[in-house]
Amino acid sequence: GENVEQHPSTLSVQEGDSAVIKCTYSDSASNYFPWYKQELGKGPQLIIDIRSNVGEKKDQRIAVTLNKTAKHFSLHITETQPEDSAVYFCAAMDSNYQLIWGAGTKLIIKP
Amino acid sequence: DAGITQSPRHKVTETGTPVTLRCHQTENHRYMYWYRQDPGHGLRLIHYSYGVKDTDKGEVSDGYSVSRSKTEDFLLTLESATSSQTSVYFCAISGQLYGYTFGSGTRLTVV
Repeated sequence: GENVEQHPSTLSVQEGDSAVIKCTYSDSASNYFPWYKQELGKGPQLIIDIRSNVGEKKDQRIAVTLNKTAKHFSLHITETQPEDSAVYFCAAMDSNYQLIWGAGTKLIIKP
Repeated sequence: DAGITQSPRHKVTETGTPVTLRCHQTENHRYMYWYRQDPGHGLRLIHYSYGVKDTDKGEVSDGYSVSRSKTEDFLLTLESATSSQTSVYFCAISGQLYGYTFGSGTRLTVV
């Protein structure tokens, strides 16, 4: 079955710098890859997603890239701000249309 | 989160007692999910539903049962709670398989 690995588990960046979180997946049939942001005490919230027929997608300061050959996808956050501090989860949809989740990355924005 | 409510938000229960968590939605979405979240494991699917009275098991379903008698309600029951079921439980809904909306979670402690 599908397996998703996420790195790093913790990422600390200076405010204003960029942050990159990477995920790899095992099932080449997976075709949908969302990213969720979870703030303390809240449920995860979808921030961006990408389908397998697209290599990159951007939404303001957030972008996701997908390399199907290498089976990895990444979240890029530019010009980081204090409100970007949260836990970020990647996921891949398997052949049963279930999301398989990475273990999460705690992003810390240093002032 | 708008359209989805979990209750209770916090619960402490004793080992061996039954516990029921409730997820209520006002979005009329077809798909509903129960996840548990534990440090280092990300989100793990317990059970899901694809319609009234249509449910199926996820990867960590042992010790849990679910019921969905109405579109808007999805109940998760721990028949006999154990300490290993201490966790944060999230309900999610989806209208089209993609783009989950999560509730705010239930923190369950089994003592």
